[in-house]
Amino acid sequence: DAKTTQPTSMDCAEGRAANLPCNHSTISGNEYVYWYRQIHSQGPQYIIHGLKNNETNEMASLIITEDRKSSTLILPHATLRDTAVYYCIVILGGADGLTFGKGTHLIIQP
Amino acid sequence: EPEVTQTPSHQVTQMGQEVILRCVPISNHLYFYWYRQILGQKVEFLVSFYNNEISEKSEIFDDQFSVERPDGSNFTLKIRSTKLEDSAMYFCASSDLTSGTLGGELFFGEGSRLTVL
Repeated sequence: DAKTTQPTSMDCAEGRAANLPCNHSTISGNEYVYWYRQIHSQGPQYIIHGLKNNETNEMASLIITEDRKSSTLILPHATLRDTAVYYCIVILGGADGLTFGKGTHLIIQP
Repeated sequence: EPEVTQTPSHQVTQMGQEVILRCVPISNHLYFYWYRQILGQKVEFLVSFYNNEISEKSEIFDDQFSVERPDGSNFTLKIRSTKLEDSAMYFCASSDLTSGTLGGELFFGEGSRLTVL
């Protein structure tokens, strides 16, 4: 699985859009980008995933660059409950385990 | 909404004792996983399980660890002789590849905190 690089921490004001970047410059053509988050030692929670196209669901949007070497997770209207560690993970899929990095600690400021 | 449940939420044990952590995955899921997270550190993959056998395991998952699906609902992680360094939060997860997902969408439980004294 390709390696990912994320900033250690970010701040965002409540109500604003939180944009979390991820670099995955060694991603291969059939690897997917997944995002998870972990709120204060709870179990990780799946957010969204994508291959090439931008994706949106009820939680977030995922923007993947055309060369697929980086992506951005967007939380459109961040709330205090979005304070968490956000993990960007690149995988081929299948039943193999996920490899979590250190992620980005997103702090939503009131 | 269906969820993965884990018991106990917290267990304290003496070094050298056996521990069994239990998980009830989402009912129609076929793939099961255990992860652990030592306090302040990354979430680490331990093992994946499908069709009543281990499909992948990490270096952490040594002979002291075993997994079992004793019946149609439970999925257990056993640590035979606990060590101090086994103190961690243990997360169970499940996924369903047959629904068309890629296997990357895992549903995690809330974890079992193991403290070894």
